[in-house]
Amino acid sequence: DQQVKQNSPSLSVQEGRISILNCDYTNSMFDYFLWYKKYPAEGPTFLISISSIKDKNEDGRFTVFLNKSAKHLSLHIVPSQPGDSAVYFCAASRNNAGNMLTFGGGTRLMVKP
Amino acid sequence: KAGVTQTPRYLIKTRGQQVTLSCSPISGHRSVSWYQQTPGQGLQFLFEYFSETQRNKGNFPGRFSGRQFSNSRSEMNVSTLELGDSALYLCASSLPDAEKLFFGSGTQLSVL
Repeated sequence: DQQVKQNSPSLSVQEGRISILNCDYTNSMFDYFLWYKKYPAEGPTFLISISSIKDKNEDGRFTVFLNKSAKHLSLHIVPSQPGDSAVYFCAASRNNAGNMLTFGGGTRLMVKP
Repeated sequence: KAGVTQTPRYLIKTRGQQVTLSCSPISGHRSVSWYQQTPGQGLQFLFEYFSETQRNKGNFPGRFSGRQFSNSRSEMNVSTLELGDSALYLCASSLPDAEKLFFGSGTQLSVL
């Protein structure tokens, strides 16, 4: 039972263009969502997050959008840079669940110079 | 500030053996979580410890166990290893009830 899904295992974009990574969830109890970036042989690093009371959060080149009615979130990276090439995981948490995160399967982003 | 430190970095074991992995959290972080990453499975939550108590547990068999010490350092143990236990085991630390986790580089376990 995958409660958080990233349906695109990979995405390739040209440098300077927009990258859009998508994530769907099924558990309506999730109230906080995060994106992590992972390079090979390293642990995931936190990128950006959003609370369920918001529908958008922006941090520099990264913007996360949340559509609660559709149980869908997306990460926009603009402009994309070759250093953004990594695996991106979306994750979700529930209130009163401590620090337990439920992760999606990841999307490998390749930004071509 | 030093990050989350996991040791060892790589481990090779054979079926039936047991293994212990270690994690030192960021100074001041009292919550430690463990995750398993296998190809195609993403990251699966194993358990979370706070103040030496297991606060949450994922859907893994009893062969997977953990503990946390008074200095917040944590260990996880896997007994009677199976081939399917081959994975990257990630430890993460955080402040209590802060969803933002800081991950270590992981321990790559190979079971032959």
